[in-house]
Amino acid sequence: GENVEQHPSTLSVQEGDSAVIKCTYSDSASNYFPWYKQELGKRPQLIIDIRSNVGEKKDQRIAVTLNKTAKHFSLHITETQPEDSAVYFCAASINGNQFYFGTGTSLTVIP
Amino acid sequence: GAGVSQSPSNKVTEKGKDVELRCDPISGHTALYWYRQSLGQGLEFLIYFQGNSAPDKSGLPSDRFSAERTGGSVSTLTIQRTQQEDSAVYLCASSLIRRDTQYFGPGTRLTVL
Repeated sequence: GENVEQHPSTLSVQEGDSAVIKCTYSDSASNYFPWYKQELGKRPQLIIDIRSNVGEKKDQRIAVTLNKTAKHFSLHITETQPEDSAVYFCAASINGNQFYFGTGTSLTVIP
Repeated sequence: GAGVSQSPSNKVTEKGKDVELRCDPISGHTALYWYRQSLGQGLEFLIYFQGNSAPDKSGLPSDRFSAERTGGSVSTLTIQRTQQEDSAVYLCASSLIRRDTQYFGPGTRLTVL
């Protein structure tokens, strides 16, 4: 089955700096890669996703890149703000069937 | 409109008892997923329903776990003979179609004593 690895497990950045979270996957058939943000005690919420037919997608301060050859994808958050502090999960899926999640990255933005 | 709802929000049970967890997806969403999240861990896929097709049960950790989805809407996750290691937050999510945005419910926190 699919195996998704996520790094780092914790990340601290100064407000205004950029944060990068990286994930790798094992199954080359995976073609859908969402990213979720989970604030303490709350449910996960989708923040951005990318499909395998594109290499990069951007939404304001958030961007995701995908390298299908290397089987890795990354989340980039620019101009970080304290409200970006949360746990971020990557996931990989084949056609939206099973979703395999990474173990999460706890991001702390220091004011 | 209403989001995904789950009940109960918290469930405390004794080891060996059966529990039922309920998920009400967003109306019209054809895909429904169950996940388990242990403390400080990621989400573990359990089962997936798509329309009226047979569910994908490949993530269920043992035969003590089962789920059904009645009428293509409400889903129930049943855990028989609960064990302490079943303690976790059980999350349900639905999406309009496969490979679409998943909307998560608030979860059910299960504690097995």
